[in-house]
Amino acid sequence: DAMVIQNPRYQVTQFGKPVTLSCSQTLNHNVMYWYQQKSSQAPKLLFHYYDKDFNNEADTPDNFQSRRPNTSFCFLDIRSPGLGDAAMYLCATSRAGASNQPQHFGDGTRLSIL
Amino acid sequence: AQSVTQLGSHVSVSEGALVLLRCNYSSSVPPYLFWYVQYPNQGLQLLLKYTTGATLVKGINGFEAEFKKSETSFHLTKPSAHMSDAAEYFCAVTKGNAGNMLTFGGGTRLMVKP
Repeated sequence: DAMVIQNPRYQVTQFGKPVTLSCSQTLNHNVMYWYQQKSSQAPKLLFHYYDKDFNNEADTPDNFQSRRPNTSFCFLDIRSPGLGDAAMYLCATSRAGASNQPQHFGDGTRLSIL
Repeated sequence: AQSVTQLGSHVSVSEGALVLLRCNYSSSVPPYLFWYVQYPNQGLQLLLKYTTGATLVKGINGFEAEFKKSETSFHLTKPSAHMSDAAEYFCAVTKGNAGNMLTFGGGTRLMVKP
């Protein structure tokens, strides 16, 4: 089945130690999204890629970066994680120009900060 | 600007009872509307969507929703709740002609009592 896969499912890192979360997709969608979701809240969009074009949300901290080396993969880098960055991180994909089509989500990576 | 309001952050029903989760939206253009479900420690799964055509939309797991333009509502219902329906539910909207960016409601946690 075509899908969105996030690795790892659970990640523990130390305060200030860089961490990378990964997302891959077999849907061949040209748009990929990263969301941060804290407990009992809706997902908050951090940024998205439209093909290779990177689009940052205005309130996304500089501490969060992303890379998309090809259509299938996208990475979320947190350069110096703080305690407030502990959250679930969700990756999603969609076809561009088809706003009547849903976004497809991975199962997320739960990040804990020690 | 769009917005989505979900009335009731927590809803509790008995097993076998009707489920009604409320969603109201505001949009300056015809919206596309989605309901997603999120089980603990998982990503978001599409339940159903409204784009055009029939205003009563049937989704997975016995859920359905009705688009009512005059009331700007898209409430989610299920005739008979099952224990497995306990989860977080998110209503979301995209602009009709401006890409797949989702605006989420705050979410409703559904609890099902035996």
